[in-house]
Amino acid sequence: DAGVIQSPRHEVTEMGQEVTLRCKPISGHDYLFWYRQTMMRGLELLIYFNNNVPIDDSGMPEDRFSAKMPNASFSTLKIQPSEPRDSAVYFCASSIAAGGPNNEQFFGPGTRLTVL
Amino acid sequence: KNQVEQSPQSLIILEGKNCTLQCNYTVSPFSNLRWYKQDTGRGPVSLTIMTFSENTKSNGRYTATLDADTKQSSLHITASQLSDSASYICVVRAGFQKLVFGTGTRLLVSP
Repeated sequence: DAGVIQSPRHEVTEMGQEVTLRCKPISGHDYLFWYRQTMMRGLELLIYFNNNVPIDDSGMPEDRFSAKMPNASFSTLKIQPSEPRDSAVYFCASSIAAGGPNNEQFFGPGTRLTVL
Repeated sequence: KNQVEQSPQSLIILEGKNCTLQCNYTVSPFSNLRWYKQDTGRGPVSLTIMTFSENTKSNGRYTATLDADTKQSSLHITASQLSDSASYICVVRAGFQKLVFGTGTRLLVSP
């Protein structure tokens, strides 16, 4: 298995532009998570999906952020318009079950976003 | 408020030496605690997981301990290697789903 796949790995954009981050979870995993990581705040959960349905988006910072999961093998995180404070590493993770001993989340390599 | 605090924030040790990283948490209800290793430029990878009834869990040279009474966990690294240089993140699951992340300890193993 290739693991969680994210693209692009690096993104540099200018303030005000739309940014779309992409994620392909591990096949068979029914949970998908989007995280943001910064030096100051560490890892923060933005939103997670179960069977393609958004379950908890309370971590989404504001309306400029949106996430979709049109099918079991693809999800996007969109920022429109982007701002310099959105600069961070964005991780996608997937897991088989939400709780219990098999709840390990497998993380992708991340997308490093820089907004100038 | 659910919180996970890690110490130290950063640590430099010589290759071959041992070290211990600390994690204190105030999370309720406690479900499990996991230590992740995150190499530079990579996503976190799970090292160990412990539930309420487990006191210690090993994974090679990594040994995690859990004291549910004092709500503390430690990660001990034995005979450190250069490849141990990474960030180590303590993550506590509250209840069925919510994860509470620590900000991590950055470890540098120097030759």
